[in-house]
Amino acid sequence: GAVVSQHPSRVICKSGTSVKIECRSLDFQATTMFWYRQFPKQSLMLMATSNEGSKATYEQGVEKDKFLINHASLTLSTLTVTSAHPEDSSFYICSARDPPPRGGYEQYFGPGTRLTVT
Amino acid sequence: AQTVTQSQPEMSVQEAETVTLSCTYDTSESDYYLFWYKQPPSRQMILVIRQEAYKQQNATENRFSVNFQKAAKSFSLKISDSQLGDAAMYFCAYRLSNTGNQFYFGTGTSLTVIP
Repeated sequence: GAVVSQHPSRVICKSGTSVKIECRSLDFQATTMFWYRQFPKQSLMLMATSNEGSKATYEQGVEKDKFLINHASLTLSTLTVTSAHPEDSSFYICSARDPPPRGGYEQYFGPGTRLTVT
Repeated sequence: AQTVTQSQPEMSVQEAETVTLSCTYDTSESDYYLFWYKQPPSRQMILVIRQEAYKQQNATENRFSVNFQKAAKSFSLKISDSQLGDAAMYFCAYRLSNTGNQFYFGTGTSLTVIP
């Protein structure tokens, strides 16, 4: 199957600073990537859908000015948490869609990034 | 609206035994996919099995099989000959098929395997 990587795997930042998380599709071109957030012992909640070359689509209740998403290339999407606060501490997971003709709209998940804001 | 319900927050099974995890979903669509994902302590989401809604035959992958009841909107996962490595969080998920849209996840079932 296709591989999706995330960097960093863990990050600790101070309150008020910004942190960038990268999501890369390593062996396929992903026109669409998705960003999820997972709190401890809870399910994955979709934050936004990232389309290459266009603005991201955010789910209701997700602050677009706080969670900046950029999908500048077919293999890279970034999530920047701006002015981070302790309540932003969470596990962030991306997934990338492998479209036809190579794929069948399968989605592959990255290993996740644990963000801790102190 | 699409919703996925997993009514068993926790399950346990004796090693080598069989366990069934339940999942129900609600949708008005006719063309969709259903998935079971495993999330071990590493937090990496691992696809266990996938079922296309238009297929009547239940999907199987080695020790993993599903019981897909489309009319009842039920999609249970059976794990046979349970192994210690099966211990994880299991998420049932739904996705519309043709456009590769977002996943809708259930709340998960934590599976413990007892040696």
